[in-house]
Amino acid sequence: TQLLEQSPQFLSIQEGENLTVYCNSSSVFSSLQWYRQEPGEGPVLLVTVVTGGEVKKLKRLTFQFGDARKDSSLHITAAQPGDTGLYLCAGLNYGGSQGNLIFGKGTKLSVKP
Amino acid sequence: ETGVTQTPRHLVMGMTNKKSLKCEQHLGHNAMYWYKQSAKKPLELMFVYSLEERVENNSVPSRFSPECPNSSHLFLHLHTLQPEDSALYLCASSRTPTLAGGINEQFFGPGTRLTVL
Repeated sequence: TQLLEQSPQFLSIQEGENLTVYCNSSSVFSSLQWYRQEPGEGPVLLVTVVTGGEVKKLKRLTFQFGDARKDSSLHITAAQPGDTGLYLCAGLNYGGSQGNLIFGKGTKLSVKP
Repeated sequence: ETGVTQTPRHLVMGMTNKKSLKCEQHLGHNAMYWYKQSAKKPLELMFVYSLEERVENNSVPSRFSPECPNSSHLFLHLHTLQPEDSALYLCASSRTPTLAGGINEQFFGPGTRLTVL
């Protein structure tokens, strides 16, 4: 069974601090996505990474896909209260015929003013 | 706006009721999904429809019955649910991975918060 482990599960920080969230697996993924979910809403896609070692930036958010395509990280610089939410990583099964995503449990981030 | 809508947003039902959840996507996608999201658990994939055919049924109890009349609409029919079925039910859509170069970017609706009494 493929699993994606996210850490930390919970993170509470002050506005302006930096943070990194991790997503790890023993399985190889053909691509990996990060979503953010706010209370009472569905997850919203932030980014997709495909190539091992790939780095993508979205304003203050930096996403990296591990060289072996088994792990990923999300780094937020100078966090703001608007960054508060549940961050989910999801991997696409390498070679899977149905292309179903495997989701991690998420990291719940709270950024206090 | 995500292009995927779900109704109702909130539903309270008794264990003997029959109700249906509705999902509609306006993104031109040809794959649709039902997920269950419970506290402290990863998103659980329930059903997948690709090109209007059900391609995945992840050991979901028969009290949940999906229906996909066309590529834009997806229903989840509920019957004699249990209190442990209370959760957020999310619908998502995507291009089919084989048509999208092996990438499966899913777009989610806002979900239906279901409470079973």
